[in-house]
Amino acid sequence: GAGVSQSPSNKVTEKGKDVELRCDPISGHTALYWYRQSLGQGLEFLIYFQGNSAPDKSGLPSDRFSAERTGGSVSTLTIQRTQQEDSAVYLCASSQTSVEQYFGPGTRLTVT
Amino acid sequence: RKEVEQDPGPFNVPEGATVAFNCTYSNSASQSFFWYRQDCRKEPKLLMSVYSSGNEDGRFTAQLNRASQYISLLIRDSKLSDSATYLCVALSYGNKLVFGAGTILRVKS
Repeated sequence: GAGVSQSPSNKVTEKGKDVELRCDPISGHTALYWYRQSLGQGLEFLIYFQGNSAPDKSGLPSDRFSAERTGGSVSTLTIQRTQQEDSAVYLCASSQTSVEQYFGPGTRLTVT
Repeated sequence: RKEVEQDPGPFNVPEGATVAFNCTYSNSASQSFFWYRQDCRKEPKLLMSVYSSGNEDGRFTAQLNRASQYISLLIRDSKLSDSATYLCVALSYGNKLVFGAGTILRVKS
C-alpha cells in the first residue's frame, strides 16, 4: 500500500519568506509526527498529532513554526519568516500504535 | 546532556565481521526502545524493538540494561548492505520518539 508521502521533496526559499510543508500519512493512521534533521544531527521532535489535536507541541523551536492537521489525515507544517538555521530535512511519520512509526521521504528545505 | 547518546563512529569493518553499537539514555522513565536504520539521504526505518530480556532477529541482537540505562545492537556476519547509520531511539512521554544522533557503519569487501 501507499506509504507516507511528503511534498515538496525539495524547497529553496529566501530568508524571510514563509513556507508550507505537507504530509500525507498512511491511511488509517491516527498519530502523525513531525521531526527535523539538520546536517550531521539526529532527528529532532517537533510536534505530534493524535487525530486532529496536538497534545505535544513542545518541540516547536519558535513561534514562527506552526502545524495543523485536518480530517485526521493531511498535515501542514508552516514556517514563517524563514531563517537560515531553519535549513534541514523535515520528516513526517505516522503510526497506528506507538511502536512503529513510518517515515515519509522528507522535505529538504534550504533557506538562502 | 542529550537524552540519547551514541558513538557516532564511523565503524569500518570487513564483510563477515561482528560489530557492536552502544547507546545510553538519561531518562529513566523511558519504557520502550528501538533501533532504526537510516540509509544515506533516506528516511529512517524500524530495524527492531529492544526488550529487557534481549531479542534476536536473524543476524541482529539487541540488548537492554535498565540498571545501567544502556542499549546495544550486535550485528553478526556483516554484509555490504548493512552499511548505514543506526539510530538508537527511546520512546518518551506522549509517544514521542527521542533519537540518538546515530552510529555510522561501513562494511567493506
